[in-house]
Amino acid sequence: SAVISQKPSRDICQRGTSLTIQCQVDSQVTMMFWYRQQPGQSLTLIATANQGSEATYESGFVIDKFPISRPNLTFSTLTVSNMSPEDSSIYLCSVDGGVGTGVREQFFGPGTRLTVL
Amino acid sequence: GENVEQHPSTLSVQEGDSAVIKCTYSDSASNYFPWYKQELGKRPQLIIDIRSNVGEKKDQRIAVTLNKTAKHFSLHITETQPEDSAVYFCAASRTGNQFYFGTGTSLTVIP
Repeated sequence: SAVISQKPSRDICQRGTSLTIQCQVDSQVTMMFWYRQQPGQSLTLIATANQGSEATYESGFVIDKFPISRPNLTFSTLTVSNMSPEDSSIYLCSVDGGVGTGVREQFFGPGTRLTVL
Repeated sequence: GENVEQHPSTLSVQEGDSAVIKCTYSDSASNYFPWYKQELGKRPQLIIDIRSNVGEKKDQRIAVTLNKTAKHFSLHITETQPEDSAVYFCAASRTGNQFYFGTGTSLTVIP
């Protein structure tokens, strides 16, 4: 499985500011995904990030609030913009099995724990 | 879109007993069904999955069954151990890309 790292691992931010979360994979992957997991809750898909194209957002999530970059096959960023306390959550990136592998499993990064004051 | 329901939300079993977690899905085109285990403070880890062309899959103490007609699938853990205590999530996927997760089951195995 892919080795996935995320930066930062945690942060405490003031409302109205923005935070960019980085996701790095040790191998080339076709699809990268961003999820939000609020305390004690399930995983909610925010968007799917494809290299070379605009991210595809799920219902309830918009690009202005959660802009995503995918500059290459091993890296993606998620920005949480104009934060409010309701954005406090764990943000996880995940990846599929890798370019050309045909593997459908998704593997998760360690997550970024965000607290907005 | 897909809607995945999961039951029960909490489950306590005695060590050595079996645990069963059930999920239903709404999109008949879904064809891949993974199960993830998430220990406290850690990332979700894939423990087993099943594809729509298979009715059952087993890996040691863990098994998953799928009923496509009824649109439900279940996770079975036999001979439970304290280290099985965690939150378990089911998911369904149509394209193999977007995963839609159930609400999770917190399993406690009592020694």
